[in-house]
Amino acid sequence: GQQLNQSPQSMFIQEGEDVSMNCTSSSIFNTWLWYKQDPGEGPVLLIALYKAGELTSNGRLTAQFGITRKDSFLNISASIPSDVGIYFCAGQLYGGSQGNLIFGKGTKLSVKP
Amino acid sequence: ETGVTQSPTHLIKTRGQQVTLRCSSQSGHNTVSWYQQALGQGPQFIFQYYREEENGRGNFPPRFSGLQFPNYSSELNVNALELDDSALYLCASSLAGRPGEKLFFGSGTQLSVL
Repeated sequence: GQQLNQSPQSMFIQEGEDVSMNCTSSSIFNTWLWYKQDPGEGPVLLIALYKAGELTSNGRLTAQFGITRKDSFLNISASIPSDVGIYFCAGQLYGGSQGNLIFGKGTKLSVKP
Repeated sequence: ETGVTQSPTHLIKTRGQQVTLRCSSQSGHNTVSWYQQALGQGPQFIFQYYREEENGRGNFPPRFSGLQFPNYSSELNVNALELDDSALYLCASSLAGRPGEKLFFGSGTQLSVL
């Protein structure tokens, strides 16, 4: 089946550093979304991308939808301790049911004060 | 907070039993999707309900079934529980009909099968 390859698996950074993570796939996606999940909670939507090449920001977060619609990256600038968590990319395939998102395996972010 | 509520938050069952998980969607949303998230993995799509009917299904056996009610709330039923069914079960709601409509997740039900 379709897969999203998310990297890196984990990151351990110093507070104040910038962070970059990405997702790639062999499939073309209609929509890309980035979620953050804290322990014991459901994923929380950070950014949604709809158009190829689209670059969108949400505060210190910036994400881009690749031109080929097969990849995306998420950048976090000036990381703070509350950025700790697991970040997931998720894609919706063309023709798929609206609620059917394919998720990557996540990037676990740890921030050292 | 997304407005999607799930119950119970935690559940312990034994192999072979049946379980029902419940979800109330966010106000204004008419579509509910269910996901299974195993430890250390991303969520996996189980199925979606719209207008009280299943509208899309992932790679899960028939012993995973669901319902959607007129008020758009939903249930996930799992029969003949197996040890591998132990996971966090997430419900997400959205508004059908708008391309790329965003999904909003509840906090999940943690199911342990012993």
